[in-house]
Amino acid sequence: QKEVEQNSGPLSVPEGAIASLNCTYSDRGSQSFFWYRQYSGKSPELIMFIYSNGDKEDGRFTAQLNKASQYVSLLIRDSQPSDSATYLCAVNAGSSNTGKLIFGQGTTLQVKP
Amino acid sequence: DTAVSQTPKYLVTQMGNDKSIKCEQNLGHDTMYWYKQDSKKFLKIMFSYNNKELIINETVPNRFSPKSPDKAHLNLHINSLELGDSAVYFCASTNSYSGPNTGELFFGEGSRLTVL
Repeated sequence: QKEVEQNSGPLSVPEGAIASLNCTYSDRGSQSFFWYRQYSGKSPELIMFIYSNGDKEDGRFTAQLNKASQYVSLLIRDSQPSDSATYLCAVNAGSSNTGKLIFGQGTTLQVKP
Repeated sequence: DTAVSQTPKYLVTQMGNDKSIKCEQNLGHDTMYWYKQDSKKFLKIMFSYNNKELIINETVPNRFSPKSPDKAHLNLHINSLELGDSAVYFCASTNSYSGPNTGELFFGEGSRLTVL
């Protein structure tokens, strides 16, 4: 069983739509959750982190966490072609404070003009 | 100024050779990592050092040997390269005392290794 699972996509949405990216994780002890964006040929960069149940909003991005369901999601409102990238969900490994992240395989998002 | 820099960015080499990748960060972080990203974009942790001490050592062939001369530098040496070692290797850094933020990694640009 994969520790962090994402649908690899591609997820295709029209410009201006809401893109919804989902992630599930297996370790109930995980405390913090991260969304990274990776453009083709580039390195991952952090978009958002969340550690409390509920929603966290930052501009056009909203992260949602449901620890009971072991589910994390990222919503991108008013999607732009520049949002086209692979989105990696990452989970801090259990109670570890080492910064060890377990990544999902990523969801490729395509925003079409 | 580049925050996390890796050299070289590209390596093409034959099976059986030995190669090294170097990483340096100027962010003042105390923890550095090596991650491997395979052709399917799966990013997997290999090693981590905190203030020169090895704290994460995943199930990686012992042909891979990390070394951290100081907290700003982390190198990766690979012996007897195999075809399956072809991947992009990312160096990353963070501060260990960031609390819930731990896991905010700053990645280098990656070193693409191709083994022929």
